[in-house]
Amino acid sequence: EIVLTQSPGTLSLSPGERATLSCRASQSVSSSYLAWYQQKPGQAPRLLIYGASSRATGIPDRFSGSGSGTDFTLTISRLEPEDFAVYYCQQYGSSSMYTFGQGTKLEIK
Amino acid sequence: EVQLVESGGGLVQPGGSLRLSCAASGFTFSSYSMNWVRQAPGKGLEWVSYISSSSSTIYYADSVKGRFTISRDNAKNSLYLQMNSLRDEDTAVYYCARDSKRGQPPGFYGMDVWGQGTTVTVSS
Repeated sequence: EIVLTQSPGTLSLSPGERATLSCRASQSVSSSYLAWYQQKPGQAPRLLIYGASSRATGIPDRFSGSGSGTDFTLTISRLEPEDFAVYYCQQYGSSSMYTFGQGTKLEIK
Repeated sequence: EVQLVESGGGLVQPGGSLRLSCAASGFTFSSYSMNWVRQAPGKGLEWVSYISSSSSTIYYADSVKGRFTISRDNAKNSLYLQMNSLRDEDTAVYYCARDSKRGQPPGFYGMDVWGQGTTVTVSS
């Protein structure tokens, strides 16, 4: 089973700053099957990025994804107040299973 | 409007059973594979089960294999999760989430539509 480890656990930044979130896989992951989600308290997750770098419908272009192999990154270029939330990476692997990272909490500094 | 609405959650004793439902609307349900994903209180997301559009392919997480059964009724635009032999650690909010379209591999476009979740509490 592929394990996804996200870092940092908590990221404290101010609106307007740039956020860089990391997702590291225990073994190589196909970029085609790497996604990122945003979850706010009391809400369902929302798909942000699929295929490691493609933005989902309606997602602002300040969100971008990159990476390959075992290292993937979600970047928010200029934080808006509504971006403070928990972010999860997710992969679909050869064992016919999905796995999620443990999440990164992005909080207002 | 594309929408998923879960129901069927509640309080159940350890060892008991519960059946969750997910009603889909606003899209051609029979063309999409579906998932159940859960989130324990204060914890992260955990994938539970996947079913293809025609029910021909089904996967389970190891933590629920042999206890949970996923199914769907395309005529009723509904997804189900039959949960048996429930344990304390099954306590969570359970979400249904849309996966890929027929002919596309699982996970290729992420889980792009989610319900609001239904809460399952396993406790004596």
